[in-house]
Amino acid sequence: GAVVSQHPSWVICKSGTSVKIECRSLDFQATTMFWYRQFPKQSLMLMATSNEGSKATYEQGVEKDKFLINHASLTLSTLTVTSAHPEDSSFYICSARLAGAPHEQYFGPGTRLTVT
Amino acid sequence: GQQVMQIPQYQHVQEGEDFTTYCNSSTTLSNIQWYKQRPGGHPVFLIQLVKSGEVKKQKRLTFQFGEAKKNSSLHITATQTTDVGTYFCAGLILTGGGNKLTFGTGTQLKVEL
Repeated sequence: GAVVSQHPSWVICKSGTSVKIECRSLDFQATTMFWYRQFPKQSLMLMATSNEGSKATYEQGVEKDKFLINHASLTLSTLTVTSAHPEDSSFYICSARLAGAPHEQYFGPGTRLTVT
Repeated sequence: GQQVMQIPQYQHVQEGEDFTTYCNSSTTLSNIQWYKQRPGGHPVFLIQLVKSGEVKKQKRLTFQFGEAKKNSSLHITATQTTDVGTYFCAGLILTGGGNKLTFGTGTQLKVEL
């Protein structure tokens, strides 16, 4: 149980284009989902917290207009990287928290974004 | 802001040797979680420690949570090549905006035959 999927698993896009990444909780409802970014050989950095039906809360230094987050249902959150640039190339990982289990997060397999 | 540091950053060991990574937080943690990330993979949850001074074991892995709930350690006995990867601690910090998981800087383990 508690499986989280991400799509796509990897994507290459041209500079200036937008990319949408999906995060789904497959067998549970997730009232809260988190988006992390991991640069090579670095740790995971929390970008934003996404609550179903409300606006996402962004961490300091993360541009909300560049990284659009939508959490329209209890099983799906999307991250759209708008006007992507090479410096946005990274590993994007989402996690989902079970409703009623505030201390547990389940991570998706990640999406590797390369912007050329 | 809250910081979670890990030492060492890298560790090379011979197969069969022991390995320990230490995790220190600038803030008291609600709980501490440990993850393993293989090269090219995503973090995989290993364990969660909640109580002050708690010790948990998983086969050759021993996890400890400090009395002050600001530090933790992971010890691997008799490492194997399958232990290769980066080990992250992640501290759960209660904030006004909800619970936030802050990842440590990670320790990359390489095991040589």
